[in-house]
Amino acid sequence: DQQVKQNSPSLSVQEGRISILNCDYTNSMFDYFLWYKKYPAEGPTFLISISSIKDKNEDGRFTVFLNKSAKHLSLHIVPSQPGDSAVYFCAASAVRGGGADGLTFGKGTHLIIQP
Amino acid sequence: EADIYQTPRYLVIGTGKKITLECSQTMGHDKMYWYQQDPGMELHLIHYSYGVNSTEKGDLSSESTVSRIRTEHFPLTLESARPSHTSQYLCASSVSSNQPQHFGDGTRLSIL
Repeated sequence: DQQVKQNSPSLSVQEGRISILNCDYTNSMFDYFLWYKKYPAEGPTFLISISSIKDKNEDGRFTVFLNKSAKHLSLHIVPSQPGDSAVYFCAASAVRGGGADGLTFGKGTHLIIQP
Repeated sequence: EADIYQTPRYLVIGTGKKITLECSQTMGHDKMYWYQQDPGMELHLIHYSYGVNSTEKGDLSSESTVSRIRTEHFPLTLESARPSHTSQYLCASSVSSNQPQHFGDGTRLSIL
């Protein structure tokens, strides 16, 4: 059973507009959430993270929102640029959980920025 | 930013061969990880290490083994490769559990 779900395999957005990528999780022990960007033939690149004590974190064009009650997070990219075209992975971990010390990933969303 | 290197980038090899995938990082991170990813799927944790002489199995069962004799080096070994081992293997490191993991570019392994 998937603990981190990205229900949109792909998303197409016009250049200059806002891209919103969504992620849902089921494990209430998760307390640290990250977004990674991946180009073909490269490893995932860290974008932005958020701790469960916050509900928003912003870094330049990227903002992550966390809704703990809904077990939902989203990544907003404003404005979207052609170089943003990539696969975006949502990931989560239970830092205080004491279990396996790794990230649980979603299947990714392929973001395509149209000129 | 972590510098983490994986070799080889691509490997095509026959069944039954012993394979070692190399992973090295230059940032002195104690924590290192191996993930496996099939096309279009999520990454799955297969091994991790808290530091020298520490190795643990991850969430996904794997026939591979790992070792951590030096802080900077975390190789993964398959004693006898099989077609079911065909996948992409990604190595990562981090300073601590509440800090981002930084990934290498991966090894794409194909077993014929």
